[in-house]
Amino acid sequence: DTAVSQTPKYLVTQMGNDKSIKCEQNLGHDTMYWYKQDSKKFLKIMFSYNNKELIINETVPNRFSPKSPDKAHLNLHINSLELGDSAVYFCASSQRLTSGSSADTQYFGPGTRLTVL
Amino acid sequence: GQQVMQIPQYQHVQEGEDFTTYCNSSTTLSNIQWYKQRPGGHPVFLIQLVKSGEVKKQKRLTFQFGEAKKNSSLHITATQTTDVGTYFCAGRSGTYKYIFGTGTRLKVLA
Repeated sequence: DTAVSQTPKYLVTQMGNDKSIKCEQNLGHDTMYWYKQDSKKFLKIMFSYNNKELIINETVPNRFSPKSPDKAHLNLHINSLELGDSAVYFCASSQRLTSGSSADTQYFGPGTRLTVL
Repeated sequence: GQQVMQIPQYQHVQEGEDFTTYCNSSTTLSNIQWYKQRPGGHPVFLIQLVKSGEVKKQKRLTFQFGEAKKNSSLHITATQTTDVGTYFCAGRSGTYKYIFGTGTRLKVLA
């Protein structure tokens, strides 16, 4: 039973296309995240939702739009894809937002490797 | 903005040697987490440190949080090939956001 799942695992597309990545967690967590990991392995937070409410929105181009239809799902839609969007995108979840308890532990999905040609 | 740097960026060790990665934040942290990412895999939570000067051990792994809560370290004793991967610290500083460090990529030569 996968705790945090993402689809698709691989995504190869042309510049200018629009694509979506889906994420689901079956842990009953309140908080979900999207991270981008570039070719140098740097992990940067993009967005975070808590109980379907957007709470973290980093300096990300507005071509990226997250959507959380319910607590268990957080999808990422990307418009007008650019070469620089090529990266691995990780979804993660944590039990809830706290100040340093074990509920902060983040569980990551397997990642979606996006390649823009 | 808050920055979290890790050194070294890369480390190659012979199996059996010790390994240490250091994490330094530009701001005082509320708490810090450590994650391990195997090649081709996803980050997996290792531990969380909250108190100033805290030291925690997990078998061959020893984690420390600095007295000023601006730095942390992970030390692995007698590395094994299964320790291969990238180790990330992630610090939180007054918000709900965790900033991941730049990572240390460890290779263990058998």
